[in-house]
Amino acid sequence: SQQGEEDPQALSIQEGENATMNCSYKTSINNLQWYRQNSGRGLVHLILIRSNEREKHSGRLRVTLDTSKKSSSLLITASRAADTASYFCATDGSSYKLIFGSGTRLLVRP
Amino acid sequence: DAGVIQSPRHEVTEMGQEVTLRCKPISGHNSLFWYRQTMMRGLELLIYFNNNVPIDDSGMPEDRFSAKMPNASFSTLKIQPSEPRDSAVYFCASSSGAEDIQYFGAGTRLSVL
Repeated sequence: SQQGEEDPQALSIQEGENATMNCSYKTSINNLQWYRQNSGRGLVHLILIRSNEREKHSGRLRVTLDTSKKSSSLLITASRAADTASYFCATDGSSYKLIFGSGTRLLVRP
Repeated sequence: DAGVIQSPRHEVTEMGQEVTLRCKPISGHNSLFWYRQTMMRGLELLIYFNNNVPIDDSGMPEDRFSAKMPNASFSTLKIQPSEPRDSAVYFCASSSGAEDIQYFGAGTRLSVL
């Protein structure tokens, strides 16, 4: 079964609003990554947060990690139409293997 | 850097035909991954190479699938014979270290009729 599971599966918001996506995982991790996938394209890395970090920022992105709850959240502030994409969390299931969740489909309406 | 380059971008073939997907990783990266993405199963790791050596092929669905990495700048994923259930988007990714960020190619959309 997949290590990471995103919630919600789909999210539709108005441009300018904030979007929050959550990821839950099952086993201990060294780090957790978030990726974005635009329609018909490959995945693009957004941010990596290590297990000893609780929060990380990158531009309009804020990621939190709660290892006690085995969960992470990705917040996109002041969303834009260009943020429309699928977002995946990925955990390091082993020394090399990334286990991807099923993704959250985000639609930002202009 | 041009990033991870995959070819072809689209492949349509008939059941029973051989299909070869190609990947050129980012120069200097020593890890290469092949993934398959479908609506039903999401993103699945098929095989992982480190320094051109296959380390984990446990995700390869069956003997019809094979992958090679003859050198650090080229890898192939071959399906022979292809079946309709192989229809999916196949991604290649590379990274500079086992736990590092993975850089994905644009993918090959395979349709087996």
